[in-house]
Amino acid sequence: DTAVSQTPKYLVTQMGNDKSIKCEQNLGHDTMYWYKQDSKKFLKIMFSYNNKELIINETVPNRFSPKSPDKAHLNLHINSLELGDSAVYFCASCDTASNTEAFFGQGTRLTVV
Amino acid sequence: GNSVTQMEGPVTLSEEAFLTINCTYTATGYPSLFWYVQYPGEGLQLLLKATKADDKGSNKGFEATYRKETTSFHLEKGSVQVSDSAVYFCALKIYTGFQKLVFGTGTRLLVSP
Repeated sequence: DTAVSQTPKYLVTQMGNDKSIKCEQNLGHDTMYWYKQDSKKFLKIMFSYNNKELIINETVPNRFSPKSPDKAHLNLHINSLELGDSAVYFCASCDTASNTEAFFGQGTRLTVV
Repeated sequence: GNSVTQMEGPVTLSEEAFLTINCTYTATGYPSLFWYVQYPGEGLQLLLKATKADDKGSNKGFEATYRKETTSFHLEKGSVQVSDSAVYFCALKIYTGFQKLVFGTGTRLLVSP
């Protein structure tokens, strides 16, 4: 009965590879996010989708491409991985209509070697 | 714009000491305010929240009051425990046509026995 689930939890890959991280929420929320957390624990928003539509696209290299097949899923695909992409990536979701909090997944630790 | 400023860490305390972590915000409207906590190796979880001015959020001995006049939401606890060691994030959520969730940089708390 996990609210926001991400897979995989750990991902180790070589430079230049292409990889995807999946996120699903079963809360019925209409908004989903991807955040990047660096080694200093800074959280930076990357993307936000509302009802499958992209609404926030911060300054992120276009090697990163989010895809939302439906409002319960927001996947992150990364092309040509670089060492600097190593970080923990968090998915989150919230409900636009209410003042409730955002719920976070457990994170995906990506290590590029 | 919308932003959150937190005191830089780490904050190092002895068990049973009093804790304050400062948080101030800038917002174009009337945000909801949150404190999230991230324990080592885990994702972010909501600690407490306040949705309007003068509201006080509380949970697990932590408190924070939404102060509109000083645009602050400082986190306090009267007596910290070793198990409170974590990274604490102040955040605001504001609706500007879509829900935007903005985080502070996080403050690491280290509590020693």
